[in-house]
Amino acid sequence: AQKITQTQPGMFVQEKEAVTLDCTYDTSDPSYGLFWYKQPSSGEMIFLIYQGSYDQQNATEGRYSLNFQKARKSANLVISASQLGDSAMYFCAMRDNRGQNFVFGPGTRLSVLP
Amino acid sequence: DTAVSQTPKYLVTQMGNDKSIKCEQNLGHDTMYWYKQDSKKFLKIMFSYNNKELIINETVPNRFSPKSPDKAHLNLHINSLELGDSAVYFCASSQGPNTGELFFGEGSRLTVL
Repeated sequence: AQKITQTQPGMFVQEKEAVTLDCTYDTSDPSYGLFWYKQPSSGEMIFLIYQGSYDQQNATEGRYSLNFQKARKSANLVISASQLGDSAMYFCAMRDNRGQNFVFGPGTRLSVLP
Repeated sequence: DTAVSQTPKYLVTQMGNDKSIKCEQNLGHDTMYWYKQDSKKFLKIMFSYNNKELIINETVPNRFSPKSPDKAHLNLHINSLELGDSAVYFCASSQGPNTGELFFGEGSRLTVL
């Protein structure tokens, strides 16, 4: 069965600094997709970034980058130049190779300090 | 124009009642989902439909019954509500295999008194 682990229940970062949110996954599928979502206090789920298991390069989207280490089965999210608006829950998720199930990690609550 | 919309956003009801949450997506996606987010923020899949056919049915009490009249709609009906059903229920959709992310609705917060 697929599983996502996020070992940091909560993280603090100073405004304008970079922060890394950890994610490890477990799957026997050769093909899968990895995602990060942000959930601010208002409750909506916001897609941030995607990494395919066969992608050679790490994904980047603006201030977000994904540090993908396939052999270690890790897909850490790096947020550069943190902003106060980055304070939220962050979820790592994996899609199976049929695209029919997305499994989520328990989330990391990030607090950005002024 | 909202991509995935669900109604109602808030639902407060008494134990034992029956309630429904509706979901519609205008993205042309083939696959739709219901997720439950509990008070600790854990997101767990409940059901998944692909082109109106049920493909994932996790260990959810049979008081929960999804219905997909067409591939753009996936409704959730809950019978005999219990206190433990209080949660935020998210509807979502995706294009299908190896294509794209999960698009979420805004969530429906259900409170059972």
